[in-house]
Amino acid sequence: GENVEQHPSTLSVQEGDSAVIKCTYSDSASNYFPWYKQELGKRPQLIIDIRSNVGEKKDQRIAVTLNKTAKHFSLHITETQPEDSAVYFCADPYGGSQGNLIFGKGTKLSVKP
Amino acid sequence: DVKVTQSSRYLVKRTGEKVFLECVQDMDHENMFWYRQDPGLGLRLIYFSYDVKMKEKGDIPEGYSVSREKKERFSLILESASTNQTSMYLCASTIEGGGRVEGYTFGSGTRLTVV
Repeated sequence: GENVEQHPSTLSVQEGDSAVIKCTYSDSASNYFPWYKQELGKRPQLIIDIRSNVGEKKDQRIAVTLNKTAKHFSLHITETQPEDSAVYFCADPYGGSQGNLIFGKGTKLSVKP
Repeated sequence: DVKVTQSSRYLVKRTGEKVFLECVQDMDHENMFWYRQDPGLGLRLIYFSYDVKMKEKGDIPEGYSVSREKKERFSLILESASTNQTSMYLCASTIEGGGRVEGYTFGSGTRLTVV
């Protein structure tokens, strides 16, 4: 079946530095790429998403970039803060338009003050 | 303003018990999903449903079944709980996008321990 690979599995940065998490997918028909943030003990929450008709989307300190040729998309967090510490998941639509997502295994981001 | 509610936050059950995990959403979403979350394995899809009385197997349906008798409620059933089903279970829902995938809203999760 389809899958999505997420790297790195853990990431530790100093406060104020940037963090980048990358995901690769296999289905060239995929057209929607969301990122979820899960803080400790809480539910995953959608923080940003991108559709295949754009290459980049920004929302304050977070951005997502998409490279359809290489089949990868990345989450960029600038000026990291301790509250950015969480597990981040990327996801890819399974089967193109079935409405269900295949999730990456997650990246645990630690931002050290 | 909780929109996806899972009935239990923590559950402890005995091996062999039949277990029901309930999920209710108040957003009139057509699509509902059950995932389990385990360290190092991320979120794995168990079952999903696109409409009342409809269900589809996900990647790891073995040992589970589901019920969707009403649009707002999607139940996950462990027919005979086993210790390897100890996990965090997450329910999610999303609007039917006419073939266009939309973002999920997740419930808070149920941490199930089978002893």
